[in-house]
Amino acid sequence: DGGITQSPKYLFRKEGQNVTLSCEQNLNHDAMYWYRQDPGQGLRLIYYSQIVNDFQKGDIAEGYSVSREKKESFPLTVTSAQKNPTAFYLCATSKESNQPQHFGDGTRLSIL
Amino acid sequence: GENVEQHPSTLSVQEGDSAVIKCTYSDSASNYFPWYKQELGKRPQLIIDIRSNVGEKKDQRIAVTLNKTAKHFSLHITETQPEDSAVYFCAAKWSAGKSTFGDGTTLTVKP
Repeated sequence: DGGITQSPKYLFRKEGQNVTLSCEQNLNHDAMYWYRQDPGQGLRLIYYSQIVNDFQKGDIAEGYSVSREKKESFPLTVTSAQKNPTAFYLCATSKESNQPQHFGDGTRLSIL
Repeated sequence: GENVEQHPSTLSVQEGDSAVIKCTYSDSASNYFPWYKQELGKRPQLIIDIRSNVGEKKDQRIAVTLNKTAKHFSLHITETQPEDSAVYFCAAKWSAGKSTFGDGTTLTVKP
């Protein structure tokens, strides 16, 4: 969706390295989400935030961390503890938590 | 938590035919059911959604039905066109902020 910017589009991680995926939105949406998508599979929730300075773990939070210091931004850090990080990462936003989610264009992360 | 099962995993239809994709969910607290279309390498896009106080919703060639008693909901696409070919995901929102997605259905519309 216009209004949700994920960067970079492609990212490569070396062994033992932390990498951060950016998600910025100008939709003035309160809620933001991070999903992981593996080939041929659905979306699995990593973390979500319903309001600034607050976030909750999703179904697969281990090896990931997030922050929500600003309403517009919800960066995701893939830590070295995540042993299988290769996937397509999607950020989403919604006006409120019970409203439709709108997705960014995604970041494809691979291991070097 | 919520468990969402989606069937079939692949579906091939002739152009002009109808396509139906079904999802079942486990948590009776689920109250919002969106459907997304994802083309290869692109982001999912919302195509239709339904809330638990409604039984059916239509938008041109697309419709969604919800049976709360049986805990299942379905996507119906009529007069399919080649551009309908994509992966379709259902989802069920079962708590504040949390949605569970189905594994997706790859729809192929043959010209």
